[in-house]
Amino acid sequence: AQKVTQAQTEISVVEKEDVTLDCVYETRDTTYYLFWYKQPPSGELVFLIRRNSFDEQNEISGRYSWNFQKSTSSFNFTITASQVVDSAVYFCALSGGYGGSQGNLIFGKGTKLSVKP
Amino acid sequence: KAGVTQTPRYLIKTRGQQVTLSCSPISGHRSVSWYQQTPGQGLQFLFEYFSETQRNKGNFPGRFSGRQFSNSRSEMNVSTLELGDSALYLCATALGSGGPDTQYFGPGTRLTVL
Repeated sequence: AQKVTQAQTEISVVEKEDVTLDCVYETRDTTYYLFWYKQPPSGELVFLIRRNSFDEQNEISGRYSWNFQKSTSSFNFTITASQVVDSAVYFCALSGGYGGSQGNLIFGKGTKLSVKP
Repeated sequence: KAGVTQTPRYLIKTRGQQVTLSCSPISGHRSVSWYQQTPGQGLQFLFEYFSETQRNKGNFPGRFSGRQFSNSRSEMNVSTLELGDSALYLCATALGSGGPDTQYFGPGTRLTVL
């Protein structure tokens, strides 16, 4: 069965601190995709990144970076120099790698990040 | 490019009633998935439609149903509403072409069942 675990329920940091959100996944598929989404208080899930199972390169986008390690089934997300606008709930998600199996995202429970000024 | 739109944004119903929610996808997207979000259960997959056919289904009772039209717009229906159906219902759309795909979410419909 597929499963995503985000062990950190809530994290609170002060602005400009770095913060890492953990994500551990379980799947028997050899081809799969991992995602991070951000959900601000407005409720809409905002796509941040997609990573496929064959690409273990880390990725950096501005203050955001992602570390994918297949050996530990983890896909962690780091925000550098956090800002108040980063306050949101962040979800890690997993999908299958083929056509129809991509339509079903398995989500973790989410990590609520609060960045205080 | 316009994003995913969902109507209505808010809905209040009473137990036993039925409700229909609508989702219009991003232009060119043919896959529409529906999710239920509650504080207790988190985000759970309801079903996915592609080319007017249900392609995937989550573990929800038959009271939850959906359909997709030829223009890829989708509706989901919940019959005989229960208090536990109160939730944020999110629609997500994707190309659905079979290659690497990403789901883009709408703002959701917040349903309250009294």
